[in-house]
Amino acid sequence: AQRVTQPEKLLSVFKGAPVELKCNYSYSGSPELFWYVQYSRQRLQLLLRHISRESIKGFTADLNKGETSFHLKKPFAQEEDSAMYYCALDMDTGRRALTFGSGTRLQVQP
Amino acid sequence: DTGVSQNPRHKITKRGQNVTFRCDPISEHNRLYWYRQTLGQGPEFLTYFQNEAQLEKSRLLSDRFSAERPKGSFSTLEIQRTEQGDSAMYLCASSYPGGTEAFFGQGTRLTVV
Repeated sequence: AQRVTQPEKLLSVFKGAPVELKCNYSYSGSPELFWYVQYSRQRLQLLLRHISRESIKGFTADLNKGETSFHLKKPFAQEEDSAMYYCALDMDTGRRALTFGSGTRLQVQP
Repeated sequence: DTGVSQNPRHKITKRGQNVTFRCDPISEHNRLYWYRQTLGQGPEFLTYFQNEAQLEKSRLLSDRFSAERPKGSFSTLEIQRTEQGDSAMYLCASSYPGGTEAFFGQGTRLTVV
């Protein structure tokens, strides 16, 4: 069965410091990986997806199939990045029923 | 707000009672998903619809749970004979059939006392 692991429940950094939120997955096929974000009192929303290879709000994530990882990175954290971040996996079935990790809370201190 | 809408936002019920939640997806989305999220965990997939057809149900969806999407528009999730373990946030999401992004509602928080 597929599984997504986010080892850190809380990551606290100072403004301007680099950020790396870890995500590892287990799945035997070719998954699609996503990062979703939930800001305080807002709904869960898509941040980025691996197939797009895009940078959103300065965040990037590279799928490493050898290490089965999809870590989220940002070189310089901003206070407005403080939020809950979830890594999610979609199996290669096209059904878009996501398997989520347990989430990491990012706190960016001034 | 033209996003996914869920009602009610909060529900407190006594153990053993039945509850029903409603989800109104984004109008042109024909896929609709239900997830459950407990404290400290990520959302867990429960079931999904394409139009009015329920195509998949997770093993998390016990016999006490039933979901419908009668006309391929809004959906309801009913929990019969609620238990304290049913206390959670119930999230609804919708998407285009070929889309990669799921749009989430703000959820219904259920508390069973």
